[in-house]
Amino acid sequence: SAVISQKPSRDICQRGTSLTIQCQVDSQVTMMFWYRQQPGQSLTLIATANQGSEATYESGFVIDKFPISRPNLTFSTLTVSNMSPEDSSIYLCSAHIYTEAFFGQGTRLTVV
Amino acid sequence: GIQVEQSPPDLILQEGANSTLRCNFSDSVNNLQWFHQNPWGQLINLFYIPSGTKQNGRLSATTVATERYSLLYISSSQTTDSGVYFCAVGTGTYKYIFGTGTRLKVLA
Repeated sequence: SAVISQKPSRDICQRGTSLTIQCQVDSQVTMMFWYRQQPGQSLTLIATANQGSEATYESGFVIDKFPISRPNLTFSTLTVSNMSPEDSSIYLCSAHIYTEAFFGQGTRLTVV
Repeated sequence: GIQVEQSPPDLILQEGANSTLRCNFSDSVNNLQWFHQNPWGQLINLFYIPSGTKQNGRLSATTVATERYSLLYISSSQTTDSGVYFCAVGTGTYKYIFGTGTRLKVLA
């Protein structure tokens, strides 16, 4: 298994600002992903965080809004840029050990 | 893309009751997992089960890949079982697509 630490665990932000979420894994992993969970909804994949290259974004998500860094095999960041109230969600980091996915505790973001 | 539907969407049980949650998917998958999301939002891994049957205490799961469904059984439910249960399926690209979820409430 993997232990995945995310921070912050929650934040309240003003509209128009940006927030960077950090994800640390306790072992080297090949695959890391970022998900969004809007209130009362299921999880939606934002992007695959690729080590040493640009992230691969899913349809409906763009780099300018959700820039992602992956400097090494244990760490990634997701930035939510120019936030609006519609960005209020839980953001979750995921890492795969072989083909099994493990998740961090999530970052609960409220934009006011 | 692949569609993942879960049923029922909502379920209320008395403590001690048994239940079956279902996950249907629209295409062949390489991986399938069941998760429990607790009231604080944390996703807990329950089973990695692309095929076959597994059991862990009061929980068990069965995946029939050829018929594109998976079942999660909860026996003797407890209030701590409350939360949302998700299945997630993975294809050859290793990405997981999450189902619609089943919201479970267990009453004391």
